[in-house]
Amino acid sequence: AQSVTQPDIHITVSEGASLELRCNYSYGATPYLFWYVQSPGQGLQLLLKYFSGDTLVQGIKGFEAEFKRSQSSFNLRKPSVHWSDAAEYFCAVLDSSYKLIFGSGTRLLVRP
Amino acid sequence: SAVISQKPSRDICQRGTSLTIQCQVDSQVTMMFWYRQQPGQSLTLIATANQGSEATYESGFVIDKFPISRPNLTFSTLTVSNMSPEDSSIYLCSVDSLAGVSSYNEQFFGPGTRLTVL
Repeated sequence: AQSVTQPDIHITVSEGASLELRCNYSYGATPYLFWYVQSPGQGLQLLLKYFSGDTLVQGIKGFEAEFKRSQSSFNLRKPSVHWSDAAEYFCAVLDSSYKLIFGSGTRLLVRP
Repeated sequence: SAVISQKPSRDICQRGTSLTIQCQVDSQVTMMFWYRQQPGQSLTLIATANQGSEATYESGFVIDKFPISRPNLTFSTLTVSNMSPEDSSIYLCSVDSLAGVSSYNEQFFGPGTRLTVL
């Protein structure tokens, strides 16, 4: 069965520091992968997605993610974090029935 | 992208009552979904709302507890029936790409309905 693992429950970084959030997936075929962000009291906003082609995907708000098939990973990165990036981040994979399977989420805290 | 609204945005309900949540989209979409996000947890798919037919429920969710309507391509409702405190969650609807526009199954989410059951 398809699954998504986000091994880090919480991550704290200083404002201006770089960020990497980990995501590993389990899927038999070429996956469709997504990163969503959920700010406190808000719904989910799509940051970026990977379907095929270039394995380095650019998203909104300065985020990027790299698909690595050999490692079954789709890690999210940002070179310089802003205080407004503090939120919950969810990685997801689209399963064979076109349903989204979400990871457990990583809560990002930003130190001033 | 699609603009999605949900009503109510939040509610506090008594045990044993029912609440109907509405999801409205500003354009026609092929598929609509309902998710539950329990406190501090990730999102779990409840069901796929099918236009003109019965919803398709995921394992662990049943129609009697979560009846869903989808009368047209822009609107759906989810009812949480006979509520208990365990139903306290955020309920979110999502839609896929605009009907007939994209085949990439990119989902957009509504703002959610925060439900507290006392």
